[in-house]
Amino acid sequence: DARVTQTPRHKVTEMGQEVTMRCQPILGHNTVFWYRQTMMQGLELLAYFRNRAPLDDSGMPKDRFSAEMPDATLATLKIQPSEPRDSAVYFCASGSSPSGGYNEQFFGPGTRLTVL
Amino acid sequence: AQSVTQPDIHITVSEGASLELRCNYSYGATPYLFWYVQSPGQGLQLLLKYFSGDTLVQGIKGFEAEFKRSQSSFNLRKPSVHWSDAAEYFCAVVGISGGYNKLIFGAGTRLAVHP
Repeated sequence: DARVTQTPRHKVTEMGQEVTMRCQPILGHNTVFWYRQTMMQGLELLAYFRNRAPLDDSGMPKDRFSAEMPDATLATLKIQPSEPRDSAVYFCASGSSPSGGYNEQFFGPGTRLTVL
Repeated sequence: AQSVTQPDIHITVSEGASLELRCNYSYGATPYLFWYVQSPGQGLQLLLKYFSGDTLVQGIKGFEAEFKRSQSSFNLRKPSVHWSDAAEYFCAVVGISGGYNKLIFGAGTRLAVHP
C-alpha cells in the first residue's frame, strides 16, 4: 500500500531554531506539494514541485521558509528561524500529473509543529 | 478566480441518519472536483472525485456526490451515517493559479455524529 511518509510527526521547538520537515512521496509520483493547515487560515499551499523543479512557492514566506527536492524520493521544508506563528500542521502530498493536466493528490499524515 | 465555498462550518447528525454536505464552486470551465476527509490527527484521504461523465459519483465508505453545473454545486451525501464518519470534510476544485493547476480547498465542514 503506497503512502506518502512524513517525518517527524511531531516537533516542538523554541523560537529562533531551525526546523526541517521531510517527505517521501509515493514512488513514481512526479508532483509534490507542501501545505500548511491552521485553524484560522485552513489549508494553504506553500510550495509545488513537478519533476523535482519548483513551479510555485508564492504561498511561502521567502525570508524564512525554503523548500527543496534533493532527489525524487525526498522533499524538504525548512524554517529558519522559526517563530511561534509558524505553529501549524504541515502536510506533504504527491501526485502523478501529466504536463498541463491534473490528477489526484495523496496526502501524508502531517508534521505537527509547535514553536514556543 | 476559482474558489470553493462550504457554507456549513459544523454539522451534527444522529447515527443512522442521512447526511448531505454542501459545496459550491466558482470556475469558468468544466471543473475537476474532489471531496477529502480528515480524521483527527490524520492527513486528508480522498473520498471521491469528478472529472467528467456521469454526474453522480460513487466514492469510498458509502459516500456519493452529485455534480450540478447549473447550481455550481458538488454536494456530498451518505444515506446512513456511522459514528466513524465523524471527521472534517473538505471540498476542493482544481484551479489555475500562477499558470499551473492547483487544488483549491474549501474551509471544511466538521461533522459530529451523535449515538
